[in-house]
Amino acid sequence: SAVISQKPSRDICQRGTSLTIQCQVDSQVTMMFWYRQQPGQSLTLIATANQGSEATYESGFVIDKFPISRPNLTFSTLTVSNMSPEDSSIYLCSVGPDVTETQYFGPGTRLLVL
Amino acid sequence: GENVEQHPSTLSVQEGDSAVIKCTYSDSASNYFPWYKQELGKRPQLIIDIRSNVGEKKDQRIAVTLNKTAKHFSLHITETQPEDSAVYFCAAGGYNKLIFGAGTRLAVHP
Repeated sequence: SAVISQKPSRDICQRGTSLTIQCQVDSQVTMMFWYRQQPGQSLTLIATANQGSEATYESGFVIDKFPISRPNLTFSTLTVSNMSPEDSSIYLCSVGPDVTETQYFGPGTRLLVL
Repeated sequence: GENVEQHPSTLSVQEGDSAVIKCTYSDSASNYFPWYKQELGKRPQLIIDIRSNVGEKKDQRIAVTLNKTAKHFSLHITETQPEDSAVYFCAAGGYNKLIFGAGTRLAVHP
């Protein structure tokens, strides 16, 4: 499976600020996904990031709040904008490294907003 | 909308017993059903998956069954060990999207 890294691994931020999370993969992948996992909860898909096109957002998530970049086939960023304490969560990227449906997760970014 | 229900939410077994976790899904177009194990503070790890053209798949102590007619799939862990203690998530979907169940917290007691 692909080796996936995320930066930062954790951060504590003040409300009203923004944080950009990076996801790096050691091989070219077609599909990259961003998830949110609130404490003790399941994984909720925020958006799908495809290289060369706009990200596709799920219901309840908007581009102004969670802008995403996908400049190439090994890298993506997710920005959490104008943060509030409700944004405190773990943010995970996942990749689909081949033509199958399998997804592999990055280590996650643990975000606390004060 | 698309939904995956997972039961039970918690499961406690004695070491050596079997554990079964069940999921149902709503989207009949789903054709891929993975299971992930998440230990505390770690990322979800894929442990087994099954596709819609297969009814059952086994990997050592872990097996998954799929009933497409009933939109139901299950994870079976035999001879449980303390290191099997974790949260398990089922998911259903396909190439572009996975919908996850709420998770099952499994505790295996020595």
